[in-house]
Amino acid sequence: EIVLTQSPTTMAASPGEKVTITCRASSSVSYMYWYQQMSDASPKLWIYDTSKLASGVPDRFSGSGSGTSYSLTINTMEAEDAATYYCQQCCSTPLTFGSGTKLEIK
Amino acid sequence: EVQLVESGGGLVQPGRSLKLSCAASGFTFSNYYMAWVRQAPKKGLEWVATISTSGSRTYYPDSVKGRFTISRDNAKSSLYLQMNSLKSEDTATYYCARQVYPRYFDYWGQGVMVTVSS
Repeated sequence: EIVLTQSPTTMAASPGEKVTITCRASSSVSYMYWYQQMSDASPKLWIYDTSKLASGVPDRFSGSGSGTSYSLTINTMEAEDAATYYCQQCCSTPLTFGSGTKLEIK
Repeated sequence: EVQLVESGGGLVQPGRSLKLSCAASGFTFSNYYMAWVRQAPKKGLEWVATISTSGSRTYYPDSVKGRFTISRDNAKSSLYLQMNSLKSEDTATYYCARQVYPRYFDYWGQGVMVTVSS
């Protein structure tokens, strides 16, 4: 099973600040996927195929990475970005998720 | 608009069974793989099951294999999860999700809570 380790576990950022969330895989994966989950809501697809933004996702978000190291970046933090973000790998069974990064606004 | 609406959750005793349902609308259900993903209270996401478009292929992680069965009725645009021999660690919110197989889940339902407790 591929284990995905996210860092940090929690963080707080000020409006306008640049934010980077990292996801490290225990073995190489071809792509990474990211979901945003607001408090008491269902997850939403946020980034797919490592760097493609899902429909409606602001372009201040970006994704990058390869092999065992991937990241989600917010260029300028906004209050509405406060949520928990999960990474997910698809192609080694079982499909697995990271444990999540809770992002708060300062 | 894609909609996924789960039902069937509740409180169940350990060792008993429960069947979840998911009603899909807003897309051609028979064209998509479908899945169940769960989230224990205050915990992360865990993939539970996937079913192919026709229902002929199903996939499970070891944690539920042999106890859970995913199925679908394309005529009714409905997805199901039969859960047997339930354990306390199965307590979670269960989400129905449309899967762009094998890659990612592009739409999620609102979730249904399952509590396994005596």
